[in-house]
Amino acid sequence: DTAVSQTPKYLVTQMGNDKSIKCEQNLGHDTMYWYKQDSKKFLKIMFSYNNKELIINETVPNRFSPKSPDKAHLNLHINSLELGDSAVYFCASSQGQGGYEQYFGPGTRLTVT
Amino acid sequence: GENVEQHPSTLSVQEGDSAVIKCTYSDSASNYFPWYKQELGKRPQLIIDIRSNVGEKKDQRIAVTLNKTAKHFSLHITETQPEDSAVYFCAASDQTGANNLFFGTGTRLTVIP
Repeated sequence: DTAVSQTPKYLVTQMGNDKSIKCEQNLGHDTMYWYKQDSKKFLKIMFSYNNKELIINETVPNRFSPKSPDKAHLNLHINSLELGDSAVYFCASSQGQGGYEQYFGPGTRLTVT
Repeated sequence: GENVEQHPSTLSVQEGDSAVIKCTYSDSASNYFPWYKQELGKRPQLIIDIRSNVGEKKDQRIAVTLNKTAKHFSLHITETQPEDSAVYFCAASDQTGANNLFFGTGTRLTVIP
């Protein structure tokens, strides 16, 4: 019974395309996140979303946009893909704010050619 | 935002020996410090966490210590086993209210049988 799931697991696309990655959690958590892990394994927060509040890391280009249709889903849309967007993207969720364990999804490996 | 530094970047130990990984953080308001383990091709998973109201926490072979004055915290693994081989990440919560985690750069631990 998967707690946090992502689709697709692998995504290969060309520069300039627009793509989406879906994330769903069945834990009843209030807060969801997107992280980017680059080729050097650095993990960086991109967005956090709690109910109606979206917090964006200032280094994230505006080509990236999260969309939350409901509390259990936080999808990531990427416009005009660039080579540097190639990475593994992890979705995560937590029970609330301030010191709760974050549960990660299995990751989506995005390759831009 | 928070800046977390982690050392060493790689660590090799003989099976049965201890391993220590150290992290420093910049934001004195941070009060939540989790450690995640990431096996090759897998998602990060929480192994232990500590909050600023305690100086040490232990769970079987794993312990974490926190020095708030010096703004550093450490992970200690005793009696290492080959299955401990993985990349370990420390993190600190930046107190924006969103429970955003800022990760260290990771330590690749190899336990030699």
